Amino acid sequence: DIVMTQSPLSLPVTPGEPASISCRSSQSLLHSNGYHYLDWYLQRPGQSPQLLIYFASRRASGVPDRFSGSGSGTDFTLKISRVEAEDVGVYYCMQALQTPLTFGPGTKVDIK
Amino acid sequence: QVQLVQSGAEVKKPGASVKVSCKASGFTFTTYGIHWVRQGPGQRLEWMAWINGANGDTRYSQKFQGRVTITRDTSATTAYMELSSLRSDDTAVYYCARNGYNYELDYWGQGTLITVSS
Repeated sequence: DIVMTQSPLSLPVTPGEPASISCRSSQSLLHSNGYHYLDWYLQRPGQSPQLLIYFASRRASGVPDRFSGSGSGTDFTLKISRVEAEDVGVYYCMQALQTPLTFGPGTKVDIK
Repeated sequence: QVQLVQSGAEVKKPGASVKVSCKASGFTFTTYGIHWVRQGPGQRLEWMAWINGANGDTRYSQKFQGRVTITRDTSATTAYMELSSLRSDDTAVYYCARNGYNYELDYWGQGTLITVSS
């Protein structure tokens, strides 16, 4: 199975400031079609996860452009250009290259 | 709009089985697969299984092989996840999620809390 790790596990943020989360996979997530099968999800308190980013850098429909994804191979990053209060929650990276799909441990983002 | 509506919370005794439903609407059910993901208390998300919307093919996590069965009823546009031989560590919120065109989980159900307790 592909093991996913994230850092930091906790991230206090100040509204209006940028934030960044790292995700690493135990093997490359590059598919033969040239895409990296790495997604990012946000789980707000008491809610189901919601898709933010797929293919490492493509924003899902309706996701604000302050969210961006980057990376390749085994190292990926989610950036929030200016954090807003509604961005609090737990952020998960997930690899979709092969089953079993596997998730990172999550990064809890809250307001300082 | 796309919706996945799951059945309600249940309390089960160890050794019992539970069947969770996931009613889909707002899209062509047979065009998309459905994943099942669970989240134990304070735990990370854990993938369990997937069913192909077109032909009903399934894939299971080896961790749950033999204990989990996923099915679908295309006429009812509903997917099901049955977990048997329940243990206390199966206590979790169980989610269904739609498999998007790019293998992302693009829509999620509201979750179903299954509590296993004697």
